[in-house]
Parts: sequence; C-alpha cells; structure tokens
Amino acid sequence: AQSVTQPDIHITVSEGASLELRCNYSYGATPYLFWYVQSPGQGLQLLLKYFSGDTLVQGIKGFEAEFKRSQSSFNLRKPSVHWSDAAEYFCAVGGGKLIFGQGTELSVKP
Amino acid sequence: ETGVTQSPTHLIKTRGQQVTLRCSSQSGHNTVSWYQQALGQGPQFIFQYYREEENGRGNFPPRFSGLQFPNYSSELNVNALELDDSALYLCASSLGNWELEQYFGPGTRLTVT
Repeated sequence: AQSVTQPDIHITVSEGASLELRCNYSYGATPYLFWYVQSPGQGLQLLLKYFSGDTLVQGIKGFEAEFKRSQSSFNLRKPSVHWSDAAEYFCAVGGGKLIFGQGTELSVKP
Repeated sequence: ETGVTQSPTHLIKTRGQQVTLRCSSQSGHNTVSWYQQALGQGPQFIFQYYREEENGRGNFPPRFSGLQFPNYSSELNVNALELDDSALYLCASSLGNWELEQYFGPGTRLTVT
C-alpha cells in the first residue's frame, strides 16, 4: 500500500539551530516526492519537490531535502531556523493524487 | 496571475444537511483536485477533475460528489452531512491530469453540528 510516515508529530528547535524533519514513504513505482508547509488557517505551500535526477533538491526559504531510495526517505533540512518557520510541515508522495503524511508541527524557541 | 481561490472561507452546517464548496483554479490550469484535512491530520484525496470529467477518486462515499465547469472552476458537494465531515477542504489546481505540481487554495473550514 502507498503511504507516507512522518515519525515526529511535534518538534521544537531554537532559533538559529539546524532542522531535520523525517519522512519515510512506501510507493510501488518511482516516487515523486514533495514537502509542503501550512501556516495556521492557511492552505499548503510547496517548499520543494523531487521527480528525478540529483537526489539533493533545493527549495524555497532555504530548505533542502535529500532523497534516499535505499532508505525510502525524503528528509527535509534547514541549516538555520528562523522564528517564521514555525508551521506544520507535510511530506507527500504521488502524482495527480497526492498521499500525505500526518504532518510535523514545528515550534521555534527564541 | 491569480492563484487558487475557494469560497466560502468558513461554513457551519447541521448534520443531515447538504453543502456546496467552490474553487476557482489558477489561470490556465485545467485540473482540480479536492482534499479533506481533518484536524491534526494530513490532507486526504477526495477526487480529481480533468476537463470536466472525474479522473480518479479516493476512499470517500458517493455522497461526496463534484463538478467541473468549462472555465475549469469546480464544486464539491456533500450530501447528508455527518459530524465527521467537519474538516478543512482544500482545492488544488494543476496544468494537467498527471501534472505533478499542484497549487493549493486556502481552504474552506466546514463545521458540522
């Protein structure tokens, strides 16, 4: 079955610290992978996507993600978190029909 | 370029009633997908419309139905509302039925009492 797992429901990091949000997927074919961010009461904004090629992809707002086929993972990273990064982050897989993980809520300490 | 818009923003309905949610796709996009996001959960795919035809459906009962119009805007209709239908309903548009990048609207918050 196709699925996405985000093991961390809630993460708190200090402003300026590095961030890694985990995502594992189960998908029968070559996965198309996405990270979205959702601020309270808002829709989803695409941070970055992986379709093929270079396994390290760069996105907006200084985020990057690395696709590791052997680990079925697509973890999101940012070297230095800003207070404005506090939001809900969703990993998704698929094309056309997207399958989302449960989300990871990020809190940022001053 | 206008993004994806949805109306209304918020809606309160009573169990058993019917509701219609509306979505205007981004300019030039001919595909609309609908998702349901329950509180504390990730979005779940309801269905997709491509050039006015349903083009894939998730695990939702037939009381969830939709339409897409010639201008590619779309409606989501839910009949016989249940308490569990309370959720944020998200619409996303894309350039084609297998276009990988979807652009989401702000959502409609539906509360069923």
